[in-house]
Amino acid sequence: EIVLTQSPGTLSLSPGERVTLSCRASQSVVSRYLAWYQQKPGLAPRLLIYGASNRATGLPDRFSGSGSGTDFTLTISRLEPEDFAVYYCQQYGTSPYTFGQGTTLEIK
Amino acid sequence: EVQLVESGGGLVKPGGSLRLSCAASGFIFSSSTMNWVRQAPGKGLEWVSSITASSFDTYSADSVKGRFVISRDNARNSLYLQMDSLRTEDTAVYYCARLAAVGGLRAGFDIWGQGTMVAVSS
Repeated sequence: EIVLTQSPGTLSLSPGERVTLSCRASQSVVSRYLAWYQQKPGLAPRLLIYGASNRATGLPDRFSGSGSGTDFTLTISRLEPEDFAVYYCQQYGTSPYTFGQGTTLEIK
Repeated sequence: EVQLVESGGGLVKPGGSLRLSCAASGFIFSSSTMNWVRQAPGKGLEWVSSITASSFDTYSADSVKGRFVISRDNARNSLYLQMDSLRTEDTAVYYCARLAAVGGLRAGFDIWGQGTMVAVSS
């Protein structure tokens, strides 16, 4: 099983700031099949990034993903108030399709 | 409108059974690999099970193997999760989700239902 470790666990930031979230895999992720999701309280997760760096339809370009192998990042160039949420990475290349434990982005 | 709607959740005693359903609309269900993902109260996301478009392949997390069975009915645009021998640790919101495909490559879980709550308690 591929274990995904996200860091940091919690980030306290202000709107307008830039943030980079990390996701490290215990072994190489097949075909860069790495996705990022955003989840707000009481709602289902929302796909942000797939294939490590491809933005989902309609996603603002302030969101970007990068990485390959075992190290991946999600960057939000300029935080908007609606970006404060929990973010998960997931690998969907090898069963079981594991998720990271999540990073909480909170307003400072 | 593209959507997934789960149903079938509820309160069940340990050792009991439940069958979850997920109704799909607005996309070609019969061409899509489908999944169940769960989230225990206050916890993160856990992938549960996956089934390919033709039902040829199914995959499950070790935590549910031998107890949960994923299936689908493409004629009814429906996905199912039969859950037997339920444990307290199975308490969670259960989501169905589509594994997207773009240019023949997998593209993440792009469509999610609203979730259905399963509570296992005596």
